[in-house]
Amino acid sequence: AQSVTQLGSHVSVSEGALVLLRCNYSSSVPPYLFWYVQYPNQGLQLLLKYTTGATLVKGINGFEAEFKKSETSFHLTKPSAHMSDAAEYFCAVSDTTGNQFYFGTGTSLTVIP
Amino acid sequence: NAGVTQTPKFQVLKTGQSMTLQCAQDMNHEYMSWYRQDPGMGLRLIHYSVGAGITDQGEVPNGYNVSRSTTEDFPLRLLSAAPSQTSVYFCASSYSGTNQPQHFGDGTRLSIL
Repeated sequence: AQSVTQLGSHVSVSEGALVLLRCNYSSSVPPYLFWYVQYPNQGLQLLLKYTTGATLVKGINGFEAEFKKSETSFHLTKPSAHMSDAAEYFCAVSDTTGNQFYFGTGTSLTVIP
Repeated sequence: NAGVTQTPKFQVLKTGQSMTLQCAQDMNHEYMSWYRQDPGMGLRLIHYSVGAGITDQGEVPNGYNVSRSTTEDFPLRLLSAAPSQTSVYFCASSYSGTNQPQHFGDGTRLSIL
């Protein structure tokens, strides 16, 4: 089975600072990779996805992630944090059948004014 | 567009009671799934369905049943509730499989006393 590791369950950044949320996956073949965001008392919303092609993926709200096969990583970044970015972020990987998702344990992002 | 609708939003049960969590989507999605979200554990897949009449187990299926009689609906049944099933439950759907972005409902918060 696939697995996803998110390093750092809590990350704090100052408003305007770089956001870096880490995600590593275990897979013998390149999987499909996703980042989702969850605001309090809501469901998850898709930020971005990697399936095939360009390894730098741009998502909504200024977020982007880079797929690095050699490092089995898919880290999420945003150049300048905004207060509205405070939320829980989940990295997810799909298995090769495309039928099961595996989520990381999540990273809670706090933005300090 | 209603998207993915989950009912109820909150529920308290006593140990041993049964109940059904409802999930409906109006996007004509073939793939539907149920997750539970527990603190520090991310989302874990309970059951999924790739189309009407087809269901399969995910990572944590014990204590839960599902059926998929129509494309739109995918109810989750707890046959005999246990305190360990206290969680937030999310239903999600996609056009076909997990290589597509998942659309999530707002969740059902379930407490088992």
